[in-house]
Order: sequence, then C-alpha cells, then structure tokens
Amino acid sequence: DIVMTQSPDSLPVSLGERATISCKSSQSVLYSSNNKNYLAWYQQKPGQPPKLLIYWASTRESGVPDRFSGSGSGTDFTLTISSLQADDVAVYYCQQYFGTPYTFGQGTKLEIK
Amino acid sequence: QVQLVESGGGVVQPGRSLRLSCAASGISFSNYAMYWVRQAPGKGLEWVALISYDGSNKKYADSVKGRFTISRDNYDNTLSLQMSSLRVEDTAVYYCATATAVAWDYWGQGTLVAVSS
Repeated sequence: DIVMTQSPDSLPVSLGERATISCKSSQSVLYSSNNKNYLAWYQQKPGQPPKLLIYWASTRESGVPDRFSGSGSGTDFTLTISSLQADDVAVYYCQQYFGTPYTFGQGTKLEIK
Repeated sequence: QVQLVESGGGVVQPGRSLRLSCAASGISFSNYAMYWVRQAPGKGLEWVALISYDGSNKKYADSVKGRFTISRDNYDNTLSLQMSSLRVEDTAVYYCATATAVAWDYWGQGTLVAVSS
C-alpha cells in the first residue's frame, strides 16, 4: 500500500499570510506513460464532505480560488495557499489515486493564528 | 446539478448487517465508477470500496474485504453497500463519491453508521 504522510498535523497561520502543507508518498505516484502524478488535494470543513481542490498534483479544480496551488512530483508534494482567508480554515488531505487501495494523508488542520 | 444522497445509516449491534444506499441525480450515473469512503469520528478519510461504471470490477479495502459488498443499479441510478459482520471499528460517516473527470469531484453528505452494543 502507498502510505501518504502529511506535515504538519496542525498549522496556525495569520490572515493574509502563506500556508504550506507537505505530503509525501511512500512510493512514486508518477505514471511514466503519461507523466502525470496521481495526487489530489481535498479541503474538508466541519460537518461537510471533502471538496476537491487540486488534481494531477497541480491542476486546480474549476471554481477553486487561484490562491490555492499544488506542486511537486514523484513522492513529494505541496499545497500552498498564497494568502490565507478566514474561509480557508479546514482540514486538508492529500490522496493518491495511482492505485488501490486509494490512500489519504492523515490530514492537516489549518487554523488562524 | 449533481447530487449524491446517502441513506441507510443508523445504530446497529456488532455482528449485525446494514445496507447503505446512495441515490445519484444530475449525472450520467452509468458512465462513472463509484466509491465509498468512510470517516471515523474525529479521524481521517479511508477509502472503502469501488465499483466500475458497469459493475464488472469491484475492489475493497482489506479492512472490509469479505464483509462488505458494493453494487449498483444503473437503471435506478443507485449505489449500494451491503455491510455484514459489523464491528465497532466500522463506526463512521460513510460517503459515496464519484470521479466524473479525474479525481473525486462529487461527494454525498454522508450517512452515519454506529456499531455499538
């Protein structure tokens, strides 16, 4: 199984500041035949289902604000929020969809400092 | 718009069975693979099962293999999860989800399953 490890577990950030979340996979999720990373990022607010933010590691889902960006390849990935807004307080998960069992990181709780 | 609505959750004793359903609307249901994902109280997300668009391919997490069965009815636009031999550790909110493009872009609101004696 591919193990996804996020850091940090909790991230206090001031409004307007940059937030960076790391995700590492235990093996590469880069598929060589199409050069795509099978890595997604989700945002989950209390009492709500997860919301897709980023797929292919760096492609923003339609409607997602451009302050959210994803980067990385192979086994190391990053979600960056360029300027934190109050509405961004949530738990963020990375997920690999390279193969089953699909696995998620343990989550990073983003809060206002 | 796309809607996925889960139902069937509740309180059940260990060892008993429960069947969850997910009603889909606003999408061409028969075109897409479907997934069940669960989240134990205060914990992270765990993929449970997938079924291909036509029901021919099914896969399960090791934690539920042999106890849970995923199925779909492409005439009724309904996804199901038959859960048997339930354990306390199966307690979670169960979400159905689908990937109409790449990753899982539509999710239901979830249904709570509580396994307790």
